[in-house]
Amino acid sequence: DQQVKQNSPSLSVQEGRISILNCDYTNSMFDYFLWYKKYPAEGPTFLISISSIKDKNEDGRFTVFLNKSAKHLSLHIVPSQPGDSAVYFCAASAISSGGSNYKLTFGKGTLLTVNP
Amino acid sequence: DAGVIQSPRHEVTEMGQEVTLRCKPISGHNSLFWYRQTMMRGLELLIYFNNNVPIDDSGMPEDRFSAKMPNASFSTLKIQPSEPRDSAVYFCASTSRAGNTQYFGPGTRLTVL
Repeated sequence: DQQVKQNSPSLSVQEGRISILNCDYTNSMFDYFLWYKKYPAEGPTFLISISSIKDKNEDGRFTVFLNKSAKHLSLHIVPSQPGDSAVYFCAASAISSGGSNYKLTFGKGTLLTVNP
Repeated sequence: DAGVIQSPRHEVTEMGQEVTLRCKPISGHNSLFWYRQTMMRGLELLIYFNNNVPIDDSGMPEDRFSAKMPNASFSTLKIQPSEPRDSAVYFCASTSRAGNTQYFGPGTRLTVL
């Protein structure tokens, strides 16, 4: 059973427009959410994160929104650039019984293509 | 900093052979993770080490898989014997403290024929 779902395998947008990537989760224990970006033949790289005590976190062109009641988060990229073309993974974690939240549960990713 | 280093980058082997994947975490990081990425299951955590000690190996698929971390700068993931269904990309990641941002290596693409 997938606890983190990215229902859109791919997304195509024009340069300069907004890209919105969506992620849904089922485990109500998740309290920390991350987005990773992955280029071909490279490992995922951390992009932005949000704690469950917030509903928005912004870093430059990237903003993550969290809707806990809907168990939904989204990543907004404004404006989109061709260099943003990559696979984006949503990930979530929960504080374990040992007090750490090391275990990341990943979605399957969304391939974003930004066209010039 | 060189980042997380993994070797080999590509491995092609025949069913039944032993496969050893290697990882060098970022210097100073004391938490290390092994992940597997497949089309069907996405990215899955296989095992997590903290201070060279395996803390959580619940993701290791079966006894054919084993992982070691003999010191703070080196870890191996071994598959013996390998099977075609083990074909995947295997990532190693490290972090300075469990719960902090994980930094991933470039991965090893394993193909078992």
